[in-house]
Amino acid sequence: QSVLTQPPSVSGAPGQRVTISCTGSNSNIGTGYDVHWYQQVPGTAPKLLIYGNYNRPSGVPDRFSGSKSGTSASLAITGLQDEDEADYYCQSYDSSLSGSVFGGGTKLTVL
Amino acid sequence: QVQLVESGGGLVKPGGSLRLSCAASGFTFSDYYMSWIRQTPGKGLEWVSYISSSSSHTNYADSVKGRFTISRDNAKNSLFLQMSSLRAEDTAVYYCARGGTHYVREPLDYWGQGTLVTVSS
Repeated sequence: QSVLTQPPSVSGAPGQRVTISCTGSNSNIGTGYDVHWYQQVPGTAPKLLIYGNYNRPSGVPDRFSGSKSGTSASLAITGLQDEDEADYYCQSYDSSLSGSVFGGGTKLTVL
Repeated sequence: QVQLVESGGGLVKPGGSLRLSCAASGFTFSDYYMSWIRQTPGKGLEWVSYISSSSSHTNYADSVKGRFTISRDNAKNSLFLQMSSLRAEDTAVYYCARGGTHYVREPLDYWGQGTLVTVSS
């Protein structure tokens, strides 16, 4: 039971758009703490995908975008490509735990 | 380029101890917060611990508090995780990751390749 809640899986055909939600509470996302997103291809380490709710590190395609509202955040991927098939995790800071919290992860399948 | 290389994982019996290391290069290690994150095989990510750049601030997940100790040697560009009273549920791949320079809540922008810890009799 993760502090941040994500759907276990999403899927979409190549070229389509998918979104992944991340729901927290008033001790983390709702307090105003930033949400970060990571992409993990099986067998490799997580890679920072979105930071500070909507910012992309250098090298991340603009097909990836993030947003945040209230106690939730979302990751959107447009123009799905086969290489996007991976696990995606959201992360924030929790004031009651005084540490980072992750979502349970969402497996993206490109059909 | 930034590199983080973990070592020290292995097979250990329940109740045993293990010390993980993370060798950092390619950046000014002493400027950054560092964290340990673990991932149970086939499961999600769990934050374990963080340490501030000067070691003045540390914290731990409740699941490891009192059993694990994070430390760093800025002169040797190294991060450590001393794990004791290990349990089967501590079995995971342990990653070290670089945080920000000011706050613990900054993103983890570089990760090591991970080291596997298996706790089993």
